[in-house]
Amino acid sequence: EAGVAQSPRYKIIEKRQSVAFWCNPISGHATLYWYQQILGQGPKLLIQFQNNGVVDDSQLPKDRFSAERLKGVDSTLKIQPAKLEDSAVYLCASSPPRGRLTYEQYFGPGTRLTVT
Amino acid sequence: DQQVKQNSPSLSVQEGRISILNCDYTNSMFDYFLWYKKYPAEGPTFLISISSIKDKNEDGRFTVFLNKSAKHLSLHIVPSQPGDSAVYLCAASDLDSGYALNFGKGTSLLVTP
Repeated sequence: EAGVAQSPRYKIIEKRQSVAFWCNPISGHATLYWYQQILGQGPKLLIQFQNNGVVDDSQLPKDRFSAERLKGVDSTLKIQPAKLEDSAVYLCASSPPRGRLTYEQYFGPGTRLTVT
Repeated sequence: DQQVKQNSPSLSVQEGRISILNCDYTNSMFDYFLWYKKYPAEGPTFLISISSIKDKNEDGRFTVFLNKSAKHLSLHIVPSQPGDSAVYLCAASDLDSGYALNFGKGTSLLVTP
């Protein structure tokens, strides 16, 4: 079974530029998450999708971040304009449909963003 | 507000000995707990989990213990192997948040030969 795919793996941009990250979850996984991991911290949830609907985006800085999950499969996370403090690893994760007994999430390799 | 805390940034253990990684949480609504292993430049890899209805879950060399009254969980690795050297992330979740994960900052484990 293929894992969660993310691209690009690395990105360097200047502040005030825009950037987009792509995620393809594990086939059949209904729930998709985006996390931000700043150096020295644990991952922090940005947004959660259930199929193509948003479940929780309370921690997404909506003035500059946006995310979508068209057709309930792939997802894109965008930052516009970027700030220095957005430098982090952006992790995408997915989990199987509800109604099971376990709730683990499966993570992609992440995209390391450096804003200069 | 950090709801999951791993107070030991690093731990060094000799090969063959037991590694004990600790985690504390503050939110009494959390009902599912997980440990992830993370290597540099890779995403976290699921290791083991435990539901709040249990106090112990074992999988091979890995055992997770949950003490709900103390809001504390621990991961035991026995015996420790050099390949276990990685950052271990503790995470907690609950139904109300759609089982989104709240992570600690991680503990870096080094297993020396």
